[in-house]
Amino acid sequence: EVQLVQSGGGFVQPGGSLRLSCAASGFTFSHYDMHWVRQGAGKGLEWVSAVETAGGTYYQASVQGRFTISRDTDKTSLYLQMNSLRPGDTAVYYCAVGVPASPKYYFVYWGQGTLVTVSS
Amino acid sequence: SSELTQDPAVSVALGQTVRITCQGDSLRNYYASWYQQKPGQAPVVVVYGKNNRPSGIPDRFSGSSSGNTASLTISGAQAEDEADYYCNSRDISGSWVFGGGTKLTVL
Repeated sequence: EVQLVQSGGGFVQPGGSLRLSCAASGFTFSHYDMHWVRQGAGKGLEWVSAVETAGGTYYQASVQGRFTISRDTDKTSLYLQMNSLRPGDTAVYYCAVGVPASPKYYFVYWGQGTLVTVSS
Repeated sequence: SSELTQDPAVSVALGQTVRITCQGDSLRNYYASWYQQKPGQAPVVVVYGKNNRPSGIPDRFSGSSSGNTASLTISGAQAEDEADYYCNSRDISGSWVFGGGTKLTVL
């Protein structure tokens, strides 16, 4: 059974930092890309960041330079270090598993989501 | 980065067919994938690639693409299909992008 267990969300003041984690099991972690996707309250899905199987990383423009994505193959875990947080970063953050089968790429598994609230 | 445009809301009578569309330049190079999201739940992929359905997704869900437009068709919509639907594709910069989402109401 595939499991993506997320942790690390919470409440933080503007300018603060948080680290999200996503512990994966039930599939061959090293064979898949890993992503973070967020969703503000009442809003749509917004892609945030990705780390490919070979280690290449990608970021949405609004988080570039503030967020860092990483993966640990030995621990089969995904991380998102979020610095200089802004109120606009408030959202439920999902980790998602990407199938690298270009051009028919898709997200096959999703975590349960973790809420990040940035407010003074 | 690219954008994907979806109609904000669509409605369909129970048992009828509905098409949800997604437009964007990235769709000329990459297939769209489609996600169903019900309130309080994580998204679930329903269609990807040219017209592929993961196991467990009913065959009333199908996908198609032409030029810069991808479509998700639900043939014989059921009450349980009422949800938000999002398209996604990779874009030419190498990152990924979601459409704004379509709220489907089954009447």
